[in-house]
Amino acid sequence: LAKTTQPISMDSYEGQEVNITCSHNNIATNDYITWYQQFPSQGPRFIIQGYKTKVTNEVASLFIPADRKSSTLSLPRVSLSDTAVYYCLVVLGGGADGLTFGKGTHLIIQP
Amino acid sequence: DTAVSQTPKYLVTQMGNDKSIKCEQNLGHDTMYWYKQDSKKFLKIMFSYNNKELIINETVPNRFSPKSPDKAHLNLHINSLELGDSAVYFCASSPGGGFYEQYFGPGTRLTVT
Repeated sequence: LAKTTQPISMDSYEGQEVNITCSHNNIATNDYITWYQQFPSQGPRFIIQGYKTKVTNEVASLFIPADRKSSTLSLPRVSLSDTAVYYCLVVLGGGADGLTFGKGTHLIIQP
Repeated sequence: DTAVSQTPKYLVTQMGNDKSIKCEQNLGHDTMYWYKQDSKKFLKIMFSYNNKELIINETVPNRFSPKSPDKAHLNLHINSLELGDSAVYFCASSPGGGFYEQYFGPGTRLTVT
């Protein structure tokens, strides 16, 4: 069974901010929320990870509300090269369930 | 300087054959993984090794056998290949299990005819 739910696809334009939301209603106390990016014919690449509130790095921000039942990956000022599949994972303490990536969100950026 | 490398990148073979995919990481990580990405793009873990010891073994046919000769290598051997084994196989490594960031290899596209 999938542990997370996210939109199958999203469209946006260059220069816009893109927010991808992931639902994880059954998240447990010790779980972390992790996002990966995958380009065609490549392996996934780690983007960001968080436990609560907000995490920001040079690539993205991750917003996690107090109940932690969802999270939002925010990509500022996207470019064409941000077109990729984005996966949300809830890592269940190292268990195998948390390591199934699901289908992800196919983000398409247009000029 | 490739962090996680896999060979071969493409593998085309016939049903019933036995084949191996090799994976090496030069990151000094303790944990290595094998994933399978099928045509529907689900990326699912198959195996995980920590310091050469198997720690995750998902429901995978026993025709698949991982082998870790040392901490830097995790090879995947597949016996009696079937059409349904066609997929992209990714190797990955991380400093530890669970929460740690995983570094993925470029993938091996296996086609069974």
